[in-house]
Amino acid sequence: ELKVEQNPLFLSMQEGKNYTIYCNYSTTSDRLYWYRQDPGKSLESLFVLLSNGAVKQEGRLMASLDTKARLSTLHITAAVHDLSATYFCAVDSDGGTSYGKLTFGQGTILTVHP
Amino acid sequence: DTEVTQTPKHLVMGMTNKKSLKCEQHMGHRAMYWYKQKAKKPPELMFVYSYEKLSINESVPSRFSPECPNSSLLNLHLHALQPEDSALYLCASSQVGEGATNEKLFFGSGTQLSVL
Repeated sequence: ELKVEQNPLFLSMQEGKNYTIYCNYSTTSDRLYWYRQDPGKSLESLFVLLSNGAVKQEGRLMASLDTKARLSTLHITAAVHDLSATYFCAVDSDGGTSYGKLTFGQGTILTVHP
Repeated sequence: DTEVTQTPKHLVMGMTNKKSLKCEQHMGHRAMYWYKQKAKKPPELMFVYSYEKLSINESVPSRFSPECPNSSLLNLHLHALQPEDSALYLCASSQVGEGATNEKLFFGSGTQLSVL
């Protein structure tokens, strides 16, 4: 059974600081996704990482994937209040099928304060 | 149009009621999904339809009955639910086929269901 673990689960950051969220998964997969969810809202796709060593950046967020270590990171640079949300990583647990079967991590609740 | 539209946004139902959740997309996606998300928990996969055929049922109780009448629509029929079924129900869609999972899943805004 695929397990996806994120840490930390709660992250309180000051504006302007940097921090990293970690996502470990238990079985081989080369497809990893990061999503953002605001309270009471749906999931917004941030990044799709498809191969070992993949790195993607959008604004203050940068995601990377190490398939050998079964680890993905989401790095936050110079945090701002608008980044406050819950961040989920998700792993495609049925690689090779023609559609996505995602298993999500527990989520990291990020709060950015002045 | 890159939206997945879900209706209703909120639903309150009794344990003896029958209701349906609806999901619609016009992106030409041939895979559609139902996820369940309890408060402060991650989404959990319930069903996957590929080319309008049920491909995955994650051991979901029979009181949840999915239906995919055509390539744009996905329904979830609810009957005799329990209070513990109260959750946010999310619909999603994606491409199908070689390299399909290179693409993200598009999620709808969800239906917040309360079972009394």
